[in-house]
Amino acid sequence: GQNIDQPTEMTATEGAIVQINCTYQTSGFNGLFWYQQHAGEAPTFLSYNVLDGLEEKGRFSSFLSRSKGYSYLLLKELQMKDSASYLCAVDNAGNMLTFGGGTRLMVKP
Amino acid sequence: EAGVVQSPRYKIIEKKQPVAFWCNPISGHNTLYWYLQNLGQGPELLIRYENEEAVDDSQLPKDRFSAERLKGVDSTLKIQPAELGDSAVYLCASSIGQGGYEQYFGPGTRLTVT
Repeated sequence: GQNIDQPTEMTATEGAIVQINCTYQTSGFNGLFWYQQHAGEAPTFLSYNVLDGLEEKGRFSSFLSRSKGYSYLLLKELQMKDSASYLCAVDNAGNMLTFGGGTRLMVKP
Repeated sequence: EAGVVQSPRYKIIEKKQPVAFWCNPISGHNTLYWYLQNLGQGPELLIRYENEEAVDDSQLPKDRFSAERLKGVDSTLKIQPAELGDSAVYLCASSIGQGGYEQYFGPGTRLTVT
């Protein structure tokens, strides 16, 4: 079976750093995606990790440990517009994505 | 470049009525997906197409749901008859290929069944 866990909600302050964790147990693994989804909008791609380590892209970074079944998304210098849901998704095989339930991040002034 | 287009954006129907959703993927994207997303949850895959072939429809409730992708471009997802539990957002996504390629999502169709 597939199991992907992420916290349901997180709150952080504008300008701060927040880390959103994702743990997974899946029957196959071809990489892990992070998507951002603002309320009422489509998910948009943030990052993709297939090898262990940290991928940095501007204010956002994503980390993967395949041996631990663990990933995190790191958001730096938080802005109000970062308030959204963050979806962790595992590519089981050939771009078949299984999504976690999403983490709703609220950024406060 | 135009993104994934979906219509309608919103649909309200009574239970037992039929409903159809339409998706036009990004030009050149061979892979097309239909997802269902309930409020506060992540998307769940319903069906995946490679060109015009449905390569994974194991999560599609085939007693009431059907989908087609004629000519390997546009796709239609149909529900007949709709049930109250079908109320959700139906997302269409496309990607250029398999294995590590980003999926581009459309804005979705919010279905309310009364």
